[in-house]
Amino acid sequence: NAGVTQTPKFQVLKTGQSMTLQCAQDMNHEYMSWYRQDPGMGLRLIHYSVGAGITDQGEVPNGYNVSRSTTEDFPLRLLSAAPSQTSVYFCASSYTHGQGAYGYTFGSGTRLTVV
Amino acid sequence: LAKTTQPISMDSYEGQEVNITCSHNNIATNDYITWYQQFPSQGPRFIIQGYKTKVTNEVASLFIPADRKSSTLSLPRVSLSDTAVYYCLVGDRNYGGSQGNLIFGKGTKLSVKP
Repeated sequence: NAGVTQTPKFQVLKTGQSMTLQCAQDMNHEYMSWYRQDPGMGLRLIHYSVGAGITDQGEVPNGYNVSRSTTEDFPLRLLSAAPSQTSVYFCASSYTHGQGAYGYTFGSGTRLTVV
Repeated sequence: LAKTTQPISMDSYEGQEVNITCSHNNIATNDYITWYQQFPSQGPRFIIQGYKTKVTNEVASLFIPADRKSSTLSLPRVSLSDTAVYYCLVGDRNYGGSQGNLIFGKGTKLSVKP
């Protein structure tokens, strides 16, 4: 199993550009989420999904959109990139939503720089 | 906001046992306590999860007292490769309905020295 795959690993954007960060999992997990991590900080939840067709906002959703058309994929869209969105982005998935006997599996991250 | 409090950093030496305590005074009845490990430039990795008393796996032990207001992650005989940030999390009910999402704090940076 590949687990959680994030692409690209690195990206540089100009202010105002848009892009999509890809996240795919092959574990048939219902729950998926996006986090961002800034230097010296923990991870902050951006958006999450409890299943195909269902998404909701986390702690810091402004400037980001998500959709969940399939169980496997959960892309994160930056509508108009800003320097404040420079960060490392992690996608995570889980068999259950938050609780239970299964932990979250994280991807290896996308390092995004907005200039 | 994160509902946990843990030390910002800890130092240890190879071969020692390390105990990291996390405070979660407002833990809800149905919340589990989960610990993750994160190495630089990598995503967090699940270490252990528990609800009450003691849980042990091949990596660590988790001790949870009866009132569940705190928990202690125990790493036996640490090595240099255990140098990482360790996060204590409980389910957060602010997002995601009855079960909530995992909300990360800043974690504890463990430095293991030779």
